[in-house]
Amino acid sequence: AQKITQTQPGMFVQEKEAVTLDCTYDTSDPSYGLFWYKQPSSGEMIFLIYQGSYDQQNATEGRYSLNFQKARKSANLVISASQLGDSAMYFCAMREYDAGGTSYGKLTFGQGTILTVHP
Amino acid sequence: SQTIHQWPATLVQPVGSPLSLECTVEGTSNPNLYWYRQAAGRGLQLLFYSVGIGQISSEVPQNLSASRPQDRQFILSSKKLLLSDSGFYLCAWRGGTATKGEQYFGPGTRLTVT
Repeated sequence: AQKITQTQPGMFVQEKEAVTLDCTYDTSDPSYGLFWYKQPSSGEMIFLIYQGSYDQQNATEGRYSLNFQKARKSANLVISASQLGDSAMYFCAMREYDAGGTSYGKLTFGQGTILTVHP
Repeated sequence: SQTIHQWPATLVQPVGSPLSLECTVEGTSNPNLYWYRQAAGRGLQLLFYSVGIGQISSEVPQNLSASRPQDRQFILSSKKLLLSDSGFYLCAWRGGTATKGEQYFGPGTRLTVT
């Protein structure tokens, strides 16, 4: 079963408007971390934002915020005031811990959402 | 500051030929290192990770192998490439400065097996 689901293959947004990229996850572990990465056409993966499962508040990093709804197992990325440079593929990822309580930092990625920002 | 390098940037290899992709990290010590593969338009699949010199864990049975001969060097290899090995290969590191456990990625290698 997929552990990270991104149901939007593509999204379009007008410049300067906000956009929400969806991510749902599946885990039975009470301790986990959720990440969002941006992949421009160059291919490099850029870390955007992190949310820990025990964090009480939604994470924010500049124009990026994470709408974390733990009971619904969703961790949607909100980009405010979209810019043309935001056009890229966006990936949601999760870090879990094994039975021994270690993760070695391994990440499981979703399939990604292509965001296109129109002028 | 930390920097991660990968080479080559692009590679076209015939089926059955060997492969060696190299990844090096600067500015940190004893990082966790990872190799991922990304098929066109898809997400990343973790292939190997390493928590120290000579320590390699494989996530997916495949035609590839990995080695870590030095603390900040991670190598992805194959003795005989298959068509299905084509893809975008990304190396990543995670270390003490990654306060949230995030990984930082290299620029990647685009491999085409013909």
